[in-house]
Amino acid sequence: TQLLEQSPQFLSIQEGENLTVYCNSSSVFSSLQWYRQEPGEGPVLLVTVVTGGEVKKLKRLTFQFGDARKDSSLHITAAQPGDTGLYLCAGGSAGGYNKLIFGAGTRLAVHP
Amino acid sequence: GAGVSQSPSNKVTEKGKDVELRCDPISGHTALYWYRQSLGQGLEFLIYFQGNSAPDKSGLPSDRFSAERTGGSVSTLTIQRTQQEDSAVYLCASSLDTYNEQFFGPGTRLTVL
Repeated sequence: TQLLEQSPQFLSIQEGENLTVYCNSSSVFSSLQWYRQEPGEGPVLLVTVVTGGEVKKLKRLTFQFGDARKDSSLHITAAQPGDTGLYLCAGGSAGGYNKLIFGAGTRLAVHP
Repeated sequence: GAGVSQSPSNKVTEKGKDVELRCDPISGHTALYWYRQSLGQGLEFLIYFQGNSAPDKSGLPSDRFSAERTGGSVSTLTIQRTQQEDSAVYLCASSLDTYNEQFFGPGTRLTVL
């Protein structure tokens, strides 16, 4: 069974601080996706990484896929209150369709 | 254009009753997925549809859970004889085809008393 462990589970920081969220597994994934979810809404895709060692940047967010495609990280620089939300990583398997295995999520609160 | 819609947005039911949850995917999307999200947790895969067929039902927790999709569009998730542990947010997602990005609906919050 493929599992994804996310850490930390909760993160409360002040505006302007940097943070990193980790997503780890003992399994290899064909792709790794990061989502952000706000209360009462479904998750919204932020990025997909597919190549080991790949780094993608989205404004103040930097996403990295591990060389072995078993882990990933999300780094936010100079966090803003608007970054507050639940961040979810999801691993894609090569099982004939885009079956996603989700981590439990990191709940981020950025205080002004 | 319209996104994925789900109804009802909230459902409160008594233990032992049956419930039906509806998902309207984005028009033209052939793949449809159901997930369950317990309080503060990640998403748990339930079932995947390609067109009207369900190649993967492996995530359905018990035989009280069933789902169907008609006309390659609307899907209904049915939970029979609901139990308190069924309380969760049920999310539906659709994608253009098998490997494209999944777009999620807002979910149905189910509370079983």
